[in-house]
Amino acid sequence: AQSVAQPEDQVNVAEGNPLTVKCTYSVSGNPYLFWYVQYPNRGLQFLLKYITGDNLVKGSYGFEAEFNKSQTSFHLKKPSALVSDSALYFCAVRLFGTDKLIFGTGTRLQVFP
Amino acid sequence: EAGVTQFPSHSVIEKGQTVTLRCDPISGHDNLYWYRRVMGKEIKFLLHFVKESKQDESGMPNNRFLAERTGGTYSTLKVQPAELEDSGVYFCASSQGLATGGTQYFGPGTRLLVL
Repeated sequence: AQSVAQPEDQVNVAEGNPLTVKCTYSVSGNPYLFWYVQYPNRGLQFLLKYITGDNLVKGSYGFEAEFNKSQTSFHLKKPSALVSDSALYFCAVRLFGTDKLIFGTGTRLQVFP
Repeated sequence: EAGVTQFPSHSVIEKGQTVTLRCDPISGHDNLYWYRRVMGKEIKFLLHFVKESKQDESGMPNNRFLAERTGGTYSTLKVQPAELEDSGVYFCASSQGLATGGTQYFGPGTRLLVL
């Protein structure tokens, strides 16, 4: 069965430090991978996606993610965290040729001043 | 460009009542999707419209849920009668389709509480 795992319910990081939010997936075929962010009382905002090509994808607000096929991972990273990055982050996968997104359970990122 | 909008933002109803959620997609987006997040769990797909046609409704939980998209513009999702387990956040998303990479843009969600 296709699935997405976000192993950490919460990630805490000090402002200015690098951050990583982990995501692994289990699908058949070549996946399209996405990261979305939900700020308090807001909807899901698209951050970045991987479809094909360069394994390092750059997205909004200074975030990037690295696709690792052998480890079936798509971790979200940022070199220097901001307090304003505190939010709920969702990883999602879409199978090639379909439109349905499969989401992870979300990871709450807390950046402390 | 206006984003995906949803109405209402919150709804509190009693078990057995009916609730209708509305979603207005981004103008020009033929694809419209409904998702639901229940009790802090993962966000789950409900269904997908291409224009006015249901492309995939495999995620609809049961026949108490009815989605429509008459005219291929806005969509409604009706829950009748509502049960306690229907509480959650209902998200709508739209996209231009697979040809453009298929990024789905989400609305703010409707928070439904069934008492």
